[in-house]
Amino acid sequence: AQSVTQPDIHITVSEGASLELRCNYSYGATPYLFWYVQSPGQGLQLLLKYFSGDTLVQGIKGFEAEFKRSQSSFNLRKPSVHWSDAAEYFCAVGSIFGSGTRLLVRP
Amino acid sequence: EPEVTQTPSHQVTQMGQEVILRCVPISNHLYFYWYRQILGQKVEFLVSFYNNEISEKSEIFDDQFSVERPDGSNFTLKIRSTKLEDSAMYFCASSEGIRTDTQYFGPGTRLTVL
Repeated sequence: AQSVTQPDIHITVSEGASLELRCNYSYGATPYLFWYVQSPGQGLQLLLKYFSGDTLVQGIKGFEAEFKRSQSSFNLRKPSVHWSDAAEYFCAVGSIFGSGTRLLVRP
Repeated sequence: EPEVTQTPSHQVTQMGQEVILRCVPISNHLYFYWYRQILGQKVEFLVSFYNNEISEKSEIFDDQFSVERPDGSNFTLKIRSTKLEDSAMYFCASSEGIRTDTQYFGPGTRLTVL
């Protein structure tokens, strides 16, 4: 069965610091992987997606993610976090979502 | 830029009442979805819809739920007899294709069951 695990419920980083949000998945075939961001009271916005090809995917707002089949991971990264990045981040395999990671940004 | 819209933004209802949540997907999209998010919890897939029929549904989507595309633009989710545990944010999404295509999400409808 498909499943998505985001092991970190909360992460706090300082503004300007680098960020990595972890995502592990379980899927029998080639996964279709997504990262979404949800700001408070808002809907979901797609940051990036991976279906095939280059395993390093570039997204919006300076985010990137790397698909590692051997580790069943699709971690989201950003080299320098801005205060406006504070939000909830969801990893998804198809329509199956992880439980989310809440990012807090310290001034 | 085209977007998915949902109405109402907030719906309050009494337990046992029927509610209909409405969505207008992006006009050239063919696949439609409903998700729910209970406060503080993860987003859960409910159902996908294509060519006027359900293509996939989760365990959550039981007989109390139904979906319909009554005309060329609206996509609705009906809950026949609401329960307290139906209180959640309900998101509609649409995509041009399935699986590989990006799903565009609406802003959500907050359903509160009293």
